[in-house]
Amino acid sequence: QQQVKQSPQSLIVQKGGISIINCAYENTAFDYFPWYQQFPGKGPALLIAIRPDVSEKKEGRFTISFNKSAKQFSLHIMDSQPGDSATYFCAASKGTSYGKLTFGQGTILTVHP
Amino acid sequence: SQTIHQWPATLVQPVGSPLSLECTVEGTSNPNLYWYRQAAGRGLQLLFYSVGIGQISSEVPQNLSASRPQDRQFILSSKKLLLSDSGFYLCACRLGQGLGEQYFGPGTRLTVT
Repeated sequence: QQQVKQSPQSLIVQKGGISIINCAYENTAFDYFPWYQQFPGKGPALLIAIRPDVSEKKEGRFTISFNKSAKQFSLHIMDSQPGDSATYFCAASKGTSYGKLTFGQGTILTVHP
Repeated sequence: SQTIHQWPATLVQPVGSPLSLECTVEGTSNPNLYWYRQAAGRGLQLLFYSVGIGQISSEVPQNLSASRPQDRQFILSSKKLLLSDSGFYLCACRLGQGLGEQYFGPGTRLTVT
């Protein structure tokens, strides 16, 4: 019940295209869903996060869509750029858990110029 | 804003040797602190978390231990390293006690030979 399943494992997109990464969770107590971007050899950087009281959150080219009934959430990267090439992780936590994050396995995104 | 420092950045240690990794946080007080391990560039696993000085919770039984001697200092240790301890170790902090964002440090790459 603590798992977060992320797909696809890898994704190749052309410059200007839309990148979509999906995550699914089982634990309905999760109430905070962040996405992280990680470049090789670096620590993950918080990209965008959502709570279950909203169905969508947009920050620049990045959008989270959240479907509470389906227990799924996704990251959309619009107008994907080569500089977006990185590994993306979804995660989830619940308010009673001291902020402990459960991570998905990551998606390696490659944006071709 | 907070800044997380980790050192060393890279470390190569023989099997059976001790380990001490340090994490310090600037720009905040009384943060929640976390140690994660990332194997093979994918999947972050929570090892320890701390909500205050001297308060350590372990998530996974293993060859490692953690300590928090000061409010903004978090240390990961081992008495005798195993080959399986190799990985990328990440320190993270979360501000406040609510559903605050969690930020990661630059990481320490540990190779056990």
